[in-house]
Amino acid sequence: DAGITQSPRHKVTETGTPVTLRCHQTENHRYMYWYRQDPGHGLRLIHYSYGVKDTDKGEVSDGYSVSRSKTEDFLLTLESATSSQTSVYFCAISGSSGGLSSYNEQFFGPGTRLTVL
Amino acid sequence: QQQVKQSPQSLIVQKGGISIINCAYENTAFDYFPWYQQFPGKGPALLIAIRPDVSEKKEGRFTISFNKSAKQFSLHIMDSQPGDSATYFCAASLADIPTFGRGTSLIVHP
Repeated sequence: DAGITQSPRHKVTETGTPVTLRCHQTENHRYMYWYRQDPGHGLRLIHYSYGVKDTDKGEVSDGYSVSRSKTEDFLLTLESATSSQTSVYFCAISGSSGGLSSYNEQFFGPGTRLTVL
Repeated sequence: QQQVKQSPQSLIVQKGGISIINCAYENTAFDYFPWYQQFPGKGPALLIAIRPDVSEKKEGRFTISFNKSAKQFSLHIMDSQPGDSATYFCAASLADIPTFGRGTSLIVHP
């Protein structure tokens, strides 16, 4: 398995509280991604990072923010959690070298199951 | 707008049969088409992938067929086994940003 971990693995929180999910990699991959997975919707991209301090929005970024201060860590923050953010969150990494940037495999973490009551 | 449409949503196949999952895309700029396999409670894992300059790629029992003019690609699982029971996602990627289909739940009966 690629060296990618997510923490926590499970979390139950209440509406309106802030939540931070952490993704940690030991592969020194350039790209990191946050997805949410919901039944019937597949995997939807929330935010991604193409380097330290370089991030961009994905398809479903509203209500989420990210930070990447080190190559190995990518944080996803829900500033004020809502019930619609109940989901399974996956972090992924890929090792783009730039020239062949579209041909890289994504490695996924084990996921974080978040429940917002 | 759904950029990558995947069908069927679910599929039941007998052991030894052929499983076929189809995907269609809109954006002709996509340049990488991977398939991921996901078991319950796990993250997705790359199964097989193809570039648009190739019409077919085979790895063991798994084959991707790619039709650039029709903007369609499909996954064929030959001699399907109960261990292949999982959710399969197609994706189309541009500049390292993939767009995923909604997934197909495959059940292979013994």
